[in-house]
Amino acid sequence: VQLVESGGGLVQPGKSLKLSCSASGFTFSSYGMHWIRQAPGKGLDWVAYISSSSGTVYADAVKGRFTISRDNAKNTLYLQLNSLKSEDTAIYYCARQWSLDYWGQGVMVTVSS
Amino acid sequence: DVVLTQTPVSLSVTLGDQASISCRSSQSLEYSDGYTYLEWYLQKPGQSPQLLIYEVSNRFSGVPDRFIGSGSGTDFTLKISRVEPEDLGVYYCFQATHDPPTFGGGTKLELK
Repeated sequence: VQLVESGGGLVQPGKSLKLSCSASGFTFSSYGMHWIRQAPGKGLDWVAYISSSSGTVYADAVKGRFTISRDNAKNTLYLQLNSLKSEDTAIYYCARQWSLDYWGQGVMVTVSS
Repeated sequence: DVVLTQTPVSLSVTLGDQASISCRSSQSLEYSDGYTYLEWYLQKPGQSPQLLIYEVSNRFSGVPDRFIGSGSGTDFTLKISRVEPEDLGVYYCFQATHDPPTFGGGTKLELK
């Protein structure tokens, strides 16, 4: 099982960014997937979940601004981040299924002017 | 949202000691299917978190048997018998019973 995030970077407040998580080593379409973030020096903060049937759940802090999606043909999970705020600055991890049994290495998103 | 309260926030141990971490939930974590979706993770410095325990007491593949999870309802405990150097880092509990899923605040295990 391997999960590799990409798409992070420095972005201005109010702008957008799209993160990707490329999955391999398992049948991606059969698993729900999560995004979790960790602000610098802080604890883990759950962000969003998408089921194998594409049902979604979001944390209140990102609801209406972030969108989780998946492309099973490409074995890829996405997180669209809109209307970014400084408090969204964090390492963003993708993780597999309800138990978060496998995690990616994370990708840094910095929101700053 | 479910609040998970971990105690202590930090724990100083001597190698070979036992360590115990508590995770208390603001609501029962038993799901309607009878399972309790309470997990434990360790984040070593500079690394991604790794799953240790799922469904309260089941060790994930490759996790040593010195890691023991227990509890029910709202009170859960992770015990580490005979702490080894590779056990140092921050431990988190996580619940996936109720939406949205939530993490505890973390417990830092360090050497005395």
